[in-house]
Amino acid sequence: KAGVTQTPRYLIKTRGQQVTLSCSPISGHRSVSWYQQTPGQGLQFLFEYFSETQRNKGNFPGRFSGRQFSNSRSEMNVSTLELGDSALYLCASSSPRGLARRSSYNEQFFGPGTRLTVL
Amino acid sequence: ELKVEQNPLFLSMQEGKNYTIYCNYSTTSDRLYWYRQDPGKSLESLFVLLSNGAVKQEGRLMASLDTKARLSTLHITAAVHDLSATYFCAVVGETSGSRLTFGEGTQLTVNP
Repeated sequence: KAGVTQTPRYLIKTRGQQVTLSCSPISGHRSVSWYQQTPGQGLQFLFEYFSETQRNKGNFPGRFSGRQFSNSRSEMNVSTLELGDSALYLCASSSPRGLARRSSYNEQFFGPGTRLTVL
Repeated sequence: ELKVEQNPLFLSMQEGKNYTIYCNYSTTSDRLYWYRQDPGKSLESLFVLLSNGAVKQEGRLMASLDTKARLSTLHITAAVHDLSATYFCAVVGETSGSRLTFGEGTQLTVNP
């Protein structure tokens, strides 16, 4: 079974630009969460989508947005990039509790991440 | 607000030695995870702990959960160099859906 995939893997942008990152969850998984990892702030939750609806949102400015498509693939967008947005962006997919084949606790499986550098 | 604290943040140990990483969290949780991260890589799931007293072991790593003390431990037995990595604990609050709140991470270096 293929794992979580994220594209692109690496990205370099300049301040003020916008960027879109993509995440394809494990087949059958309908929940996708996004996290930002930086050396200073660690791993922080951005948002979670389930069945095309945002179910949970972290404490990030409105420049950070996301969406989920009917095939469960998700995108996140960051507008007006700032230097501090440089980070590893991780996507995680899970199956809703009670529907997972292997477990009932919707374990999250992480993708390889997108390394964003803002110059 | 759920807070998760790990200690130590940095751990340098010799091969063959034992050590424990601690993870404290601030509010009631129904799930606790341990992840491993190698430099430049993503998060690899190690353990999922679901109930008070849960203990899981894989190779030289053993994780346990005490929900009353809001404490989880990751015990390393007879460390080997391949265990060098950063270890994170992460907690899901009872009303947080799937949202993971991570600890700061423990950077483990195992020296020959």
